[in-house]
Order: sequence, then C-alpha cells, then structure tokens
Amino acid sequence: EADIYQTPRYLVIGTGKKITLECSQTMGHDKMYWYQQDPGMELHLIHYSYGVNSTEKGDLSSESTVSRIRTEHFPLTLESARPSHTSQYLCASSEDRHAGQETQYFGPGTRLLVL
Amino acid sequence: KNQVEQSPQSLIILEGKNCTLQCNYTVSPFSNLRWYKQDTGRGPVSLTIMTFSENTKSNGRYTATLDADTKQSSLHITASQLSDSASYICVVSDRGSTLGRLYFGRGTQLTVWP
Repeated sequence: EADIYQTPRYLVIGTGKKITLECSQTMGHDKMYWYQQDPGMELHLIHYSYGVNSTEKGDLSSESTVSRIRTEHFPLTLESARPSHTSQYLCASSEDRHAGQETQYFGPGTRLLVL
Repeated sequence: KNQVEQSPQSLIILEGKNCTLQCNYTVSPFSNLRWYKQDTGRGPVSLTIMTFSENTKSNGRYTATLDADTKQSSLHITASQLSDSASYICVVSDRGSTLGRLYFGRGTQLTVWP
C-alpha cells in the first residue's frame, strides 16, 4: 500500500470559509498531483508539482492554490469555499521516471461538502 | 481530441463468475495503458500497466489485454469475489508532453453479489 496520506478524509464547511486540504507522502517522490473527481466521472488534474518550489495548473481550471515548500508535503487551499467546490479531491505522487512511465500512487481522498 | 471510453458503465455479476470490462482510447502518441481499481471512498490503486509492445498482463485473477492497432483494452476478472466490487478505471498516458499526461476513463462500476 502506498504511503500517501490525506487529511481530513471528510469535510463539511460553510460558504466563504478558507480551507486547506493536506497531502503528505513518505516515498520521497518529487512529482505530486491534485485531482478533482465528481461521482461517476473521470479524474481531472487541477495542480501538479515537479518538486520543491515548483507548481503548475492542470487541465481543469480551479480556484484553489497549492504550495510545495517540502518534498513530502503538497497542501491545497481554497480561500473562499463555495458549493461548486463540493467534490472529492485526490492527491497522488510518482517516482521520477520518463514522462508517462511512472506509476501514480493515490491517497484516500478528501470528500468536501460546501453548504 | 484525446479520449478514453469505458464500457459498460456499470455491471452486476454473481460471486464466482467471470467478467470482462472494455476500454477504447484515442490518445496519441500512446505511451502506456493502466487499469486502476478504486474502492468506494478510496483512491485508485494500480492493477496493471502495459506498453505498446505488450498485449497481455496478469495480476492474480486480473488479466489485461491491449490491442494497440485498434486502440482497445480489456480487463478480465476471473472467479469474482465480493471484494472485487469497485470502480475499474482505464488510464492512458501519452508521450507527447513533458508531463506524460494521463487520460482517465469514467470507470466501470462493478458490483459482485453473493
């Protein structure tokens, strides 16, 4: 089982609140990713990082932001949560191989509900 | 447009039976294809990975096939167990970008009944 952790697992919060979803991995992977997944739908990449101080936006536009100050830590922040942010957020990491060859290891996900 | 289509959308089978899930893709240039298993409320876990030159790969009761010419893959589950109930996601990677972008299917929701 992959050593990648996400907290909280479930979060119910009111509109306008600031939230941070935590993601940590102990595998020493340089590459980390955030995906958004709605029920019955495919995963959409919203942020990724090649290493410390490297962050990029993914395919799906997101109002969230990320930071990568330490290799093992890749938190995602929403400054002002809205009901449209209700979704499941999955964090992943991968070893440094040729692009497309690495296997991504996923955390258990955070289910966010914004009221 | 790079896409990954899976069928059926959902499937119910009895414990002990076999089943086959399908994946068609249009991703190009192709790098590899993975099948992931995602239990409810959990993150996906990799089952198999196949490159262009591989046409079959097994992992216990799971056997994946790949036809790179027709851009089709299947995942065959033998002697299903209750614990096989999950969403099975087909993921195709391209090699046309530095990221090695992954294209995800929507998954097949498999339910195994006793």
